[in-house]
Amino acid sequence: KQEVTQIPAALSVPEGENLVLNCSFTDSAIYNLQWFRQDPGKGLTSLLLIQSSQREQTSGRLNASLDKSSGRSTLYIAASQPGDSATYLCAVAGNQFYFGTGTSLTVIP
Amino acid sequence: NAGVTQTPKFRVLKTGQSMTLLCAQDMNHEYMYWYRQDPGMGLRLIHYSVGEGTTAKGEVPDGYNVSRLKKQNFLLGLESAAPSQTSVYFCASSWGDRSDTQYFGPGTRLTVL
Repeated sequence: KQEVTQIPAALSVPEGENLVLNCSFTDSAIYNLQWFRQDPGKGLTSLLLIQSSQREQTSGRLNASLDKSSGRSTLYIAASQPGDSATYLCAVAGNQFYFGTGTSLTVIP
Repeated sequence: NAGVTQTPKFRVLKTGQSMTLLCAQDMNHEYMYWYRQDPGMGLRLIHYSVGEGTTAKGEVPDGYNVSRLKKQNFLLGLESAAPSQTSVYFCASSWGDRSDTQYFGPGTRLTVL
């Protein structure tokens, strides 16, 4: 069974800092990997989707990379803002979808 | 364009009661999913559907049933609720299979006493 791990569970940074969130998975036979954002009491919003044949995807201040062979993905957030405060989840699509438990990010003004 | 909506937003049940959660999407998506989210465990797939009239089991299907009679609706039923089913339930939809982005509803918070 696929295991998806996100470290750290929580992260607090000052505004303006660049930061990296990590996601690791145990089975490299995946179709894609997605990064989501979840605000308290809300649903999930898709941020980036990386197909298994791709190495990275970029959207604005966000950049996600994928290394299938090592079972790792990173989400890079540039010039963090207080509005980036949320929980970030990664999910891998294999025979089913498997989610990590998320990293709770707080950006301090 | 409302996206994915879920009804109700909150519900409290007693053990043994039954209920149905409704998910509706207006994006003409083929695929629909039901997840539950529990503290420390992340989201887990309960059931999913690859099109109208189809359903399939996910990772944690026991105690739940689903139906997809119309393309835009996906219903999740609990026949005899148990305290272990206390959770936040999310519905999602996507155009196609595992390669496509999923769009999530706002969630239903269910408490079983």
